[in-house]
Amino acid sequence: EVQLVESGGGLVQPGRSLRLSCAASGFTFDDYAMHWVRQAPGKGLEWVSGISWNSGSIGYADSVKGRFTICRDNAKNSLYLQMNSLRAEDMALYYCAKAPGPGVHYYMDVWGKGTTVTVSS
Amino acid sequence: AIQLTQSPSSLSASVGDRVTITCRASQAISSALAWYHQKPGKTPNLLIYDASGLESGVPSRFSGSGSGTDFTLTISSLQPEDFATYYCQQFNSYPLTFGGGTKVEIK
Repeated sequence: EVQLVESGGGLVQPGRSLRLSCAASGFTFDDYAMHWVRQAPGKGLEWVSGISWNSGSIGYADSVKGRFTICRDNAKNSLYLQMNSLRAEDMALYYCAKAPGPGVHYYMDVWGKGTTVTVSS
Repeated sequence: AIQLTQSPSSLSASVGDRVTITCRASQAISSALAWYHQKPGKTPNLLIYDASGLESGVPSRFSGSGSGTDFTLTISSLQPEDFATYYCQQFNSYPLTFGGGTKVEIK
């Protein structure tokens, strides 16, 4: 069974950092691009970042560019999101999502259950 | 960034109704559009890819159409489990973007 399990969320003060992780199983991780998508409480979906199968192509939403860094470790079947200089508007449920192919210009066919990030002093 | 405008933002419908949701892109995106639905407290679920491709396991009452800038999601006969929020998403270019959502409620 294809499974994505996020971790690393929590309560953090504005300006501080947090690192999210996503553990993948049930598929050949290094064959597929991966994404992070977030959803603020009561709001819609917002794409955050995506990374191709070999990390050769990476993209970010304008709202996080320069503050967030996506990376992956194919040997560990894991995806990460390093979030620096966190703001109140970054508070959301963060989903890890798999693309159906190796490139980044794709939709998301499998989603994790998400990990919650709360930014508050 | 490409903006996606969904309409309506919400609608009320009855079981058995035919429901149509539209998604308009601020610039042409070919057929690089997907549709998802999300029930409260649940993970988004892929319904349609490449504007009209039905994802495996998704009931055939769901269909998608369109290309360029105008797209449509149709539910031919609304079922109780279809009451949810629906999102379109473009993957033609970075940054990827989602529409604002359409909430389908019970009439």
